[in-house]
Order: sequence, then C-alpha cells, then structure tokens
Amino acid sequence: EVQLVESGGGLVQPGGSLRLSCAASGFTFSTYSMNWVRQAPGKGLEWISYISSSGKTIYYADSVKGRFTISRDNAKNSLFLQMTSLRAEDTAVYFCARDLYSGSSLPDYWGQGTLVTVSS
Amino acid sequence: EIVLTQSPATLSLSPGERATLSCRASQSVSNYLAWYQQKPGQAPRLLIYDASNRATGIPARFSGSGSGTDFTLTISSLEPEDFAVYYCQQRSSWPPLTFGGGTKVAIK
Repeated sequence: EVQLVESGGGLVQPGGSLRLSCAASGFTFSTYSMNWVRQAPGKGLEWISYISSSGKTIYYADSVKGRFTISRDNAKNSLFLQMTSLRAEDTAVYFCARDLYSGSSLPDYWGQGTLVTVSS
Repeated sequence: EIVLTQSPATLSLSPGERATLSCRASQSVSNYLAWYQQKPGQAPRLLIYDASNRATGIPARFSGSGSGTDFTLTISSLEPEDFAVYYCQQRSSWPPLTFGGGTKVAIK
C-alpha cells in the first residue's frame, strides 16, 4: 500500500524557517517524481514544487522561488521541503504527492498533510 | 500561466441526482486535464486524468469529457459519499501546475 506521511509542520514566526519531511513507503520511491502542494485554510490547492525521480530536475512556483528548497533522499525514501523567510501567506496545510508515473506532473497519491502556521 | 475556472462554485443536489461540473482553461490544455475529489480534513483523491481516464479504483459513475479548453466531470448518480469539493488540474503547460478554484457539491 502506498503511504506518504508528512511531518515537520508547526508554528513559526514571520521570517523564520521550517523543514518539512515526507516519508514514503509501499512503492519504489526512487522511480517516481514528487510534488509539494499546499492549501491555505478554507482555500484551494496550490502547487509549489516538483522534483524528478533522480532529483536533477526541480521546479518551483513563483510564490516560493528563492525561499523554498525541495530535495529528496532516495536511499531513505524521503522527500523534503526547506522553507525560509516564511510569511503569513505561507500558512497552509502542506501535502506531499507522488506522480502517477515519473515526470507526469500528475499527482495521484497524497499524504494527509502537515499544517504550517506563520504567525507572531 | 494557464488559469482554470470552475463552475458553478457550489452545486446543491440530492442523492441519486446527476452532477455536472465544468472546468474551463484560459488556453488549450489538449487533454491534459485531471479531476480530484477532496473531503473535509482529507487529502485530494485523483478521480480522472487525461480528461477521461478513471484512476485506479474510481467507480464508473464518475466520468470525464472534453478537450482543448472546456471540460466536464459528470457523476451519474450521486452517492452520499460523493458530496465533497472537486478540483480540476492541468499539466499541459507547466511549471506551474495549476488547479481550478473548486466546485463544492453540497446536499440539497
């Protein structure tokens, strides 16, 4: 069974940093591209980052470019999102999501999400 | 960036009724359009990809159609568990991947 479990969310002050993790199991992690998608409270879905199966190709939404860094450790079946210079508008539930097939940009399995709250 | 506009914002229907949800793209996305279902407090679930292909395990009452800029998700006969928010998503021109604003299917 495919499982994605996010962790690392919490309350952080504006300007602060946070590192999210996503532990993957039930599939061959190293052969799938991955995404981070967020959802502000009561709002819709916003894609924020993509990483290829090898980690060599990375994309970001303009809203987080230069502040967030996606990475992965295929040996540990883990996906990460390093977030810096956090703003109030970054407050959201952050989901990691696997692509249906590598490079498809079609998230199929999603974790349950981790809540990030940016507030003083 | 391709903008996806979903309508209506809310659809109020009774169990057993047919639901028709619309997604319009600001430019052609060919058939690279997906639909997701999200229930409160849960992660989105992929229903339909490439406009008309049901994802694994999705019941046949869910169907998708369309190409270019106009797409439709149809639920042929609403079950109680189908009341949720539905999002469309395009992968034709990315980054960024973009999602529509969502349609809430509510119980009438």
